[in-house]
Amino acid sequence: QTHLVQSEGEVKKPGASVKVSCKASGYSFTSHGVNWVRQAPGEGLEWMGWNNGNNDIRSYAQKFQGRISVTTETSTSTVYMELRRLTSDDTAIYYCAVDTGDHGAFDIWGQGTVVTVSS
Amino acid sequence: DIQMTQSPSTLSASVGDRVTITCRASQSISNWLAWYQQKPGKAPNLLMYKASRLNRGVPSTFSGSGSGTEFTLTISSLHPDDSATYYCQQYNRYPVTFGQGTKVEIK
Repeated sequence: QTHLVQSEGEVKKPGASVKVSCKASGYSFTSHGVNWVRQAPGEGLEWMGWNNGNNDIRSYAQKFQGRISVTTETSTSTVYMELRRLTSDDTAIYYCAVDTGDHGAFDIWGQGTVVTVSS
Repeated sequence: DIQMTQSPSTLSASVGDRVTITCRASQSISNWLAWYQQKPGKAPNLLMYKASRLNRGVPSTFSGSGSGTEFTLTISSLHPDDSATYYCQQYNRYPVTFGQGTKVEIK
């Protein structure tokens, strides 16, 4: 079965960085890129960025340019999303998501990682 | 960026009702549209892709239509388990963008 398992929740202070992991299993890791989507409390879904699984093609939302890095570790089938210079507005649930059906939509999602930014 | 606008924001309907949610794109996205269902405390679940294709395991009471800038998600007969928030998503071009969501409640 295809699974994405994310790291545990984190509490960070403003100005700090957070690195969330997403471990994949059950599909060809380097054949499908991984997306990151976040959801602030009571809000909708916001796409943040994507890595093609080989670390050679990335795309980030303009809003996060300069603050986000999405990298892959193919030896462990793990994707990492690092967000820097955190503010309270970054408090959210962060999801990784994959299109394993090659149709463009995200058919497999991780369970989500809660990141709380508070002084 | 392509803006996605859903309507209504909330709707309340009875079990067995036919329910329709609309999603409009600020520019043509062909049929590169997906629909997701999200229940409280859970990750989103893919219902439809390419506007009208049902994802595996999704009940046939769900259907999607549209192309270009206007899309609809229809639940032909509302079930208590369909109580959730529904999001449309365009993936025609980066950045991928989502609608603001439609909360479906059971009367």
